[in-house]
Amino acid sequence: EVKLWESGGGSVQPGESLRLSCAPSGFTFSTFAMSWVRQAPGKGLEWVSSISGSGDKIDSADSVKGRFTISRDNSRNTLSLQMNSLRAEDTAVYYCAIGGTPSRRFFDYWGQGTLVTVSS
Amino acid sequence: QSALTQPASVSGSPGQSITLSCTGTSSDIGTYTFVSWYQQHPGQVPRLMIYDVSNRPSWVSSRFSGSRSGNTASLTISDLRAEDEAHYYCASYTGSSTLVFGGGTKVTVL
Repeated sequence: EVKLWESGGGSVQPGESLRLSCAPSGFTFSTFAMSWVRQAPGKGLEWVSSISGSGDKIDSADSVKGRFTISRDNSRNTLSLQMNSLRAEDTAVYYCAIGGTPSRRFFDYWGQGTLVTVSS
Repeated sequence: QSALTQPASVSGSPGQSITLSCTGTSSDIGTYTFVSWYQQHPGQVPRLMIYDVSNRPSWVSSRFSGSRSGNTASLTISDLRAEDEAHYYCASYTGSSTLVFGGGTKVTVL
């Protein structure tokens, strides 16, 4: 059974940093592109960033470029999102999902999400 | 990376068919066959319903179908049921190696 478990969410002040992690199981992690998708409270879905299975290709939304960095460690089966210079508008539930760019341009499995709150 | 355009709400009676639209541009839906649709019930995780315009994952009922014409993609729900009441989001790959979602459509079963 495919499972994705996010962790690392919490409350921070504007300008601070946070690192999210995703622990996958039930599939061969290194063979799939992975992504982060977020959803602000009461709002729609927003794609944040994707990384290829090998980790050599990364794509990100303009809204987070230069501030957020997606990475993966295939030896430890871990996906991460380093978020720096956080803003109030980054407040959202962050989902880890299988899929995204450059291949499999859809998200077929999602984690339960972790809430990030940015507020002074 | 402008969001795709979806109607805010669509409603129908049980047993009816409804169609949700998702309008993009020639830089996304109009060029790429990488359109997907997601269902999200309140407080739950999004669930993939359609991928690559018209393909259904194994867990999705055949009552759900997808299509595309020009810059607009569509999701049709046949034989509408109470459990179909949810938010539906479309998404598309773009020419900038990015993915973009629509704002979502709330489906109400009357």
